[in-house]
Amino acid sequence: GDSVTQMEGPVTLSEEAFLTINCTYTATGYPSLFWYVQYPGEGLQLLLKATKADDKGSNKGFEATYRKETTSFHLEKGSVQVSDSAVYFCALKDTGFQKLVFGTGTRLLVSP
Amino acid sequence: EAQVTQNPRYLITVTGKKLTVTCSQNMNHEYMSWYRQDPGLGLRQIYYSMNVEVTDKGDVPEGYKVSRKEKRNFPLILESPSPNQTSLYFCASSLQGRGTGELFFGEGSRLTVL
Repeated sequence: GDSVTQMEGPVTLSEEAFLTINCTYTATGYPSLFWYVQYPGEGLQLLLKATKADDKGSNKGFEATYRKETTSFHLEKGSVQVSDSAVYFCALKDTGFQKLVFGTGTRLLVSP
Repeated sequence: EAQVTQNPRYLITVTGKKLTVTCSQNMNHEYMSWYRQDPGLGLRQIYYSMNVEVTDKGDVPEGYKVSRKEKRNFPLILESPSPNQTSLYFCASSLQGRGTGELFFGEGSRLTVL
């Protein structure tokens, strides 16, 4: 079945450092890919998405490119802020299916 | 304000005592779903509903029931809770079940079963 694998956390960075959170997937069809973010005490909210190969999703300085050849959707940000501290979930939604399949989440901690 | 509202946010109960977690959305969404979040396991889908009176099992439906009598509400029912149902629960909705539309989440309900 479909699955998403994320790097283990926590990822600990200093403010203004470069961020990469790895995400790879397995899917039978042509999935759409998503990154959701969960701030402390809150529900998940969509950060960015890409619906086909080579698409780049971007939002709030975060970017991720849909790489079909490597089945990856790595999240990147050039300069993180303390306010980016949260748990980040990679997810996919396969063609014609109704549910999101989530990775286990990666906690990011950014210190001043 | 567009939102998904869950209640209660926190609950401690005992084994076997029936409880209901309510979920309501004000966006006229057709699709609603329940997930549970556990450490190291991410989010797993419990039940979903494509529209009023249409519900189906997700990946971990055992011990749960749902109903969808109105478009805006999708309660999660634990008829006889057990300690392995201690978890953080999220309700979510989207305009339609199929397609790539955004899934909107509630703030979560943390349930502890003693």
